[in-house]
Amino acid sequence: DIVMTQPPLSLAVTPGEPASISCRSSQSLLYSNGYNYLEWHLQKPGQSPQLLIYLGSNRASGVPDRFSGSGSGTDFTLKISRVEAEDVGVYYCMQPLQAPYTFGQGTKLEIK
Amino acid sequence: QVQLQESGPGLVKPSQTLSLTCTVSGASISGGSYYWSWIRHPAGKGPEWIGRIHTTGSTDYNPSLKSRVTISIDTSKNRFSLKLTSVTAADTAEYYCARGTPMLTGVDHWGQGTLVTVSS
Repeated sequence: DIVMTQPPLSLAVTPGEPASISCRSSQSLLYSNGYNYLEWHLQKPGQSPQLLIYLGSNRASGVPDRFSGSGSGTDFTLKISRVEAEDVGVYYCMQPLQAPYTFGQGTKLEIK
Repeated sequence: QVQLQESGPGLVKPSQTLSLTCTVSGASISGGSYYWSWIRHPAGKGPEWIGRIHTTGSTDYNPSLKSRVTISIDTSKNRFSLKLTSVTAADTAEYYCARGTPMLTGVDHWGQGTLVTVSS
């Protein structure tokens, strides 16, 4: 199985400031079509997860443009340009390149 | 907008079979090429992918659960199902159904989730 690692486990950010969340995979997620099969999902308190980013850097429908995904191969980053109070929750990276899909442990974003 | 809703018992006894159904609304489960997945999330741990079924009926399972899992699809009722046999307390988790699009997303829509507790 591909192991996904997400340090740190938690992050506290002042509203309006940027935030960065890392994810590393034990194998390259770059497929022969040139796309990286890495997703970011956010689980807000009391809600089910929602897709934020797919194919490494594509925002899902309705996701604000303050969210961006980058990286290739085994190292990926989710950036929030200016954190808002509604961004609190647990962010998970997930690889759908190879079954079984696997998730990181999650990074909890809190507001200072 | 496609919506997914899990249903089933919230309490299952050890050694019994956990059965959940995911009803899809807003789209036909057989309209287009999609993967329909089950994912669970035990408290205090990361999510775990259980398996998926394609619109055509082909399945893939997590090897860690493969001997106990069956995922099936019922196109006439626009739903798909999960059966997990011989459950133990370690199977206690929030269970989600989800949809993905081949070559594009693993999961692009999640259900609301349902908590299943394994206890006598």
